[in-house]
Parts: sequence; C-alpha cells; structure tokens
Amino acid sequence: EAGVAQSPRYKIIEKRQSVAFWCNPISGHATLYWYQQILGQGPKLLIQFQNNGVVDDSQLPKDRFSAERLKGVDSTLKIQPAKLEDSAVYLCASSLGGDRSSYEQYFGPGTRLTVT
Amino acid sequence: AQSVTQPDIHITVSEGASLELRCNYSYGATPYLFWYVQSPGQGLQLLLKYFSGDTLVQGIKGFEAEFKRSQSSFNLRKPSVHWSDAAEYFCAVGSRHAGKSTFGDGTTLTVKP
Repeated sequence: EAGVAQSPRYKIIEKRQSVAFWCNPISGHATLYWYQQILGQGPKLLIQFQNNGVVDDSQLPKDRFSAERLKGVDSTLKIQPAKLEDSAVYLCASSLGGDRSSYEQYFGPGTRLTVT
Repeated sequence: AQSVTQPDIHITVSEGASLELRCNYSYGATPYLFWYVQSPGQGLQLLLKYFSGDTLVQGIKGFEAEFKRSQSSFNLRKPSVHWSDAAEYFCAVGSRHAGKSTFGDGTTLTVKP
C-alpha cells in the first residue's frame, strides 16, 4: 500500500512570497490533516478535512494560509504572503475516518519550508 | 481543551538498557492515546495506541505503554534499547468525537554505544 505522498520535500522562499504544498493521501482515506511542526515542537494541527469538507480549521491563520481538498482526494496548502515565522515542516496525514479504529493517522515525509 | 506534556526534552540511554519516556495528558473524558516515533527527515510513524480495555498495550519494535487513569499518564517503555531506536518520540491525545489529535513537544532519545 502506498503511503502519504507530499511534494516538494524542501522549499526556500523569501518573506512575502507565496508557496504551495501538495499532499496525496492513502487511497480510500476520507480524513486528511495538515500539521505545522516548528523546530523543537510537536505537530500542530492547521486544518482537518473529512472528504472535501472542513472539519476543523480553528488554528489556521486564515489571513495568509488557505487549503483545499478538491474531489476529496488530493489537497493543497498555500501560504501567501509568507513570514519568517512560517519556517517549519508541514506534515500531511490521513486516516480512514469514521469509527475509533480509523483514528490512526498515517503521516507523509513532510515539506521543510525555510523563509528568509 | 486537550493537552499533552512530555516532561523530558532529551534522554540518553546506553544500548541494551531499559527505557521509559513519560507522557501526561489532559482530557475531559477517557482519551485515545498514541505514541509516534520520528526519525530525522521522516514523517511520524505510529508505535502504539490505546482506545480502551487492557491498560498495557503492545506496539511495534518491542515498545509497550501503560495507561494510568489516576495519574493521567501514558508512559512508553522498552526493556532493551537498540541503537536504531535513537529518534524523537511524540505522545498524542485524540478526541473521541472528531478524530483530532494534540501532540506533545516530543522527547529526543540518544542511544550510547
């Protein structure tokens, strides 16, 4: 079974530029998550999708971050404009969704963003 | 609101020694609890999970964890550490209603030869 795919793996941009990350979850997984992991910290949930609907985006800085999951499969996360404090690893995860046994999340390798 | 505290930022053990990583959680009801491992440059991999039932859970790679409701803890243990266990370990508490997990800030494990 193929895992969660993310691209790019690394990205360096200047502040005020825009950037987009892509995630392809495990086939059949209804729930998709985007996390931000700042160096030395645990992952922090940015947004959670159930199919193509948003379940939780309470910690997404909506003035600069946006995310979509068209057709309930792939997802993109965009930052525009980027700030220095956005430097982090952006992790995508997916889970089956539904009953408790499907709350296990499978993580992609992440995209390391450096904003200069 | 749910939260997780991992009191130890960094732990060093000798290869072959036993290991215990601490995790304390805050949650209004019986939580879902998880331990993940993250190797450098990699995503997180699930080691084990607790949903209900037996409070001692077994995971992959020889790890186990014990849920203690009275102490709000879910400590991770391994009887004999291998050099390949060096990594960062994250404890997480999950919401039973929304599938949302909150992570601790992690414990970095160094294994001495």
